[in-house]
Amino acid sequence: DAGITQSPRHKVTETGTPVTLRCHQTENHRYMYWYRQDPGHGLRLIHYSYGVKDTDKGEVSDGYSVSRSKTEDFLLTLESATSSQTSVYFCATGDGYGYTFGSGTRLTVV
Amino acid sequence: DQQVKQNSPSLSVQEGRISILNCDYTNSMFDYFLWYKKYPAEGPTFLISISSIKDKNEDGRFTVFLNKSAKHLSLHIVPSQPGDSAVYFCAASAVWGAGGTSYGKLTFGQGTILTVHP
Repeated sequence: DAGITQSPRHKVTETGTPVTLRCHQTENHRYMYWYRQDPGHGLRLIHYSYGVKDTDKGEVSDGYSVSRSKTEDFLLTLESATSSQTSVYFCATGDGYGYTFGSGTRLTVV
Repeated sequence: DQQVKQNSPSLSVQEGRISILNCDYTNSMFDYFLWYKKYPAEGPTFLISISSIKDKNEDGRFTVFLNKSAKHLSLHIVPSQPGDSAVYFCAASAVWGAGGTSYGKLTFGQGTILTVHP
């Protein structure tokens, strides 16, 4: 969906380095989410936001932090990347009546 | 603890036949259920949903059935087409509806890879 852009699309990083993934939306949606997709687990919620500066943890939040300083952007930060954080990360946005995913970021931690 | 389970990792069907994808859940607080379809290198896209007050919802070739007593839902695709080949995720929410701080928190199943052969 052109209204949600994730960057970068692919990234390889070394263990122990910080990494920030960006989600940008042009839909003016209130709600934004970060999920990770792993084989055998489907998609699992990492963190979500229900407004600017309003965020909360999902089911797999350990090792991740988020920030939302404006409606359009929701950042996911891995403070010190580990191999277990190798995954595909999806951002999603919602307006209370629908829910749309971005195209994903494939992150590899070596 | 997997609250939403899709026990079939894959399903293969012939073009024109029916595809039935199944999903079970354990959390009785779930009151809204969705199916998403995902192609490789793309994000999931919404397919169809159903509220717990209904037992069936239909949209073209896609029908979702909900059996609350069994905590089971299924997605029927009739007739199946090669373009339907994708990963299908079942998802559930206990807080659907406009407003609120917890709106849209979805719990997903593991996914089922559907392959439709010409």
